[in-house]
Amino acid sequence: DAGVTQSPTHLIKTRGQQVTLRCSPISGHKSVSWYQQVLGQGPQFIFQYYEKEERGRGNFPDRFSARQFPNYSSELNVNALLLGDSALYLCASSWVTGDGSPLHFGNGTRLTVT
Amino acid sequence: GENVEQHPSTLSVQEGDSAVIKCTYSDSASNYFPWYKQELGKGPQLIIDIRSNVGEKKDQRIAVTLNKTAKHFSLHITETQPEDSAVYFCAASTVDTGRRALTFGSGTRLQVQP
Repeated sequence: DAGVTQSPTHLIKTRGQQVTLRCSPISGHKSVSWYQQVLGQGPQFIFQYYEKEERGRGNFPDRFSARQFPNYSSELNVNALLLGDSALYLCASSWVTGDGSPLHFGNGTRLTVT
Repeated sequence: GENVEQHPSTLSVQEGDSAVIKCTYSDSASNYFPWYKQELGKGPQLIIDIRSNVGEKKDQRIAVTLNKTAKHFSLHITETQPEDSAVYFCAASTVDTGRRALTFGSGTRLQVQP
């Protein structure tokens, strides 16, 4: 079975631009979460979606937004990119939410902002 | 919010020795504690998890212990092998609500010397 897939794998953008990252969860998983991992640090929670509804948001500015589609795939959008947005963006999926079902991560999208 | 501290930041052991990584958490409401292994260029991979109603869990060479009173949990790897070399992250969250947000530690780089 395919795991969590993310696209693109690498991306280079210029300050001020906008970016869209995509994620397909494991088949049957209905919850998708997004995390930002800065080099040398642990992942930080950005968003969680379940059944197309936002269930949680981390401490990130409004420049970050996301959505989940009827097929449970998800997009993360970041507007007005800053140099500090350079990071590995991880998508994770789980069967449901609120019951402790494990989070399974994809390999991420490496975003570089110049 | 939750804060997770992880020690040590780096750990070097000889093949066959044991490795122990320790984490402390701040939010007494946290009740789910997963451990992830991250290899270079890949996303975090769940290796073991424990819930607060259990004090210890073992899976072959890997074990996790939890002390709720002291708010700390540890990962134990026995008979280490070179392929165990990676960055390990502990995390904590609550699973009683519909929201799931993992708070990660800062990671431990484990190097197993052949």
